[in-house]
Formats: sequence, C-alpha cells, structure tokens
Amino acid sequence: QKEVEQNSGPLSVPEGAIASLNCTYSDRGSQSFFWYRQYSGKSPELIMFIYSNGDKEDGRFTAQLNKASQYVSLLIRDSQPSDSATYLCAVRGGSGYALNFGKGTSLLVTP
Amino acid sequence: GAGVSQTPSNKVTEKGKYVELRCDPISGHTALYWYRQSLGQGPEFLIYFQGTGAADDSGLPNDRFFAVRPEGSVSTLKIQRTERGDSAVYLCASSPGLEGETQYFGPGTRLLVL
Repeated sequence: QKEVEQNSGPLSVPEGAIASLNCTYSDRGSQSFFWYRQYSGKSPELIMFIYSNGDKEDGRFTAQLNKASQYVSLLIRDSQPSDSATYLCAVRGGSGYALNFGKGTSLLVTP
Repeated sequence: GAGVSQTPSNKVTEKGKYVELRCDPISGHTALYWYRQSLGQGPEFLIYFQGTGAADDSGLPNDRFFAVRPEGSVSTLKIQRTERGDSAVYLCASSPGLEGETQYFGPGTRLLVL
C-alpha cells in the first residue's frame, strides 16, 4: 500500500505568521509531488508542484522536498485568513499516472 | 479558457439504481482522471484515460463501476446497482497528457445514494 501521510490538524496560526504543512510518503520511487488547496465544498486547486530535492518558491509559498527522508512540506509566509482551507499533499509514484493523496491538513489562519 | 466541467453537480438516487456522471476536460487535454472523495478523506484514484483508452483502471472498486471516453474528450463514469457506500464526491481531472503534468480538477459531482 503506497501511503501519503499528513497530520489532519487543525493547524491554527495567527495572521501574518508562517504556516508549515508536512507530508511523508512511503513509495521511494515517487517522482512528482503536488500541493493542492481545497476550500470547504470546493474541488482541489493546485498551489505548487516540485520534482527535485530542495526548495521551490512561488510568491508566499515554498515547497520543500527531501527524497532521502521521503518528506515534502509547504510553507506559507504572511498567512492570511483567506489561506484557511484544507491542504492536500499528492504524490505520483514511479510507475503510474495516478495521484496518491493524503487526507489533508486543515489550516486556520486567525485574524 | 474553460476549465474542467462536470455534470450534474449533485445527484440523489436510490439504492440499486444506475447513475451516469459526465466530465468534460480542458480542451486539448489528452489525459483524464476520475477520483472519488469521501468526507474527511483525500481524493482516491479510480481510473485514468490517455485518449480513448483506459490506461489504468486499477482504482475502480468493483465491477459495478465503469467509465468510457469514446472520442477522447468527454468521459462518463457509470455506476450500476448503486449502494449507500457509493455516496461521495466524484472528481474529474485532466492534464495535457505528459507524465508528471499537473492535473486540473473539475468542481465534482456530489452523489448521494439513499
């Protein structure tokens, strides 16, 4: 069973702080890693993808990948109340096209 | 341009009935995926199409579930003899078709089996 694990939260951070969301995966052959944001009652919306070890920054978002530790994270700087949502980590394995999702981490940014 | 569209947005049916869920992918996207999301869970893969053919149907839970994409564009997910446990949000996604390309999700169809 190829697993993607996330802490379900809720993770509560004050407005303006850095939110750190973490994800571990079991399939060492995994190639591609995605972070999706999902507002309540809505469909997943892509935030970032990362393929290589290290950091990738896009605006207030930074994705970090460590394949040796099988760990991927998402940092949200200057968190805003509008960032309050569930964040889904998704992993594409080495032998398929499907995404394997974690259960998601609920983030609450308090004003 | 238009995103992935799905119809109906909501479907209520009775146990034992047959349902069809439709997905219209982003124009030009050759890859299409179906996922199912239950409350409090992440999306769960069902089936993947590359063009007209089902390249991977390993996620279909049983033979009551079937999907087609006859012309390589619109896809229909068909569920026979629905059960209460089939109640979920059925999500469709599409991508340009290359490995590792981002999947873009539609709004989903909320299926409730009474």
